[in-house]
Amino acid sequence: GQQVMQIPQYQHVQEGEDFTTYCNSSTTLSNIQWYKQRPGGHPVFLIQLVKSGEVKKQKRLTFQFGEAKKNSSLHITATQTTDVGTYFCAGAHSSASKIIFGSGTRLSIRP
Amino acid sequence: DSGVTQTPKHLITATGQRVTLRCSPRSGDLSVYWYQQSLDQGLQFLIQYYNGEERAKGNILERFSAQQFPDLHSELNLSSLELGDSALYFCASSATGTVNTEAFFGQGTRLTVV
Repeated sequence: GQQVMQIPQYQHVQEGEDFTTYCNSSTTLSNIQWYKQRPGGHPVFLIQLVKSGEVKKQKRLTFQFGEAKKNSSLHITATQTTDVGTYFCAGAHSSASKIIFGSGTRLSIRP
Repeated sequence: DSGVTQTPKHLITATGQRVTLRCSPRSGDLSVYWYQQSLDQGLQFLIQYYNGEERAKGNILERFSAQQFPDLHSELNLSSLELGDSALYFCASSATGTVNTEAFFGQGTRLTVV
């Protein structure tokens, strides 16, 4: 079936280092959303990308949607302890009626 | 606070039993989604309802069923429970139910089957 693959599964960084998580699909996505789930919490919507090649920024977070609309990335510059959590991408394939979540990347940070 | 309410927060039950999880969507949202999250796992989409009608189905077991009522709240029924059904069950709601609409998640119901 249609899947959205996300890597890496885990990332452990020193505070202040950068962090990137990647999502890939074998077929074109109509849009992609990013969510953050803090430990013990629930997923919270961060952003949605719709256009080919789109780049959006939220403070230290940069979100990109690939030109072919098959991949996306989330980059965090100079991580802080508040960035700890699991980041999920969620993509919808053009022909599908449901959004599919990636497996998530768990970010942990050494102070 | 996302505005999505899930009850109960915790549930412990024995194998073979049946439970009902309840979700009240955000005010004005017409669509409800159910997800299962096992320990250290991603979010597995179970089912989506829009304005009382089933909109999309994911990897939902035959032992599981759901419905959305006229007041738009939803219930997820899990029967003949197995140990492997232990997980966090999230409900989410969105305004239109289309794939390009932001979803708001509830706090989840943690189900433990013993």
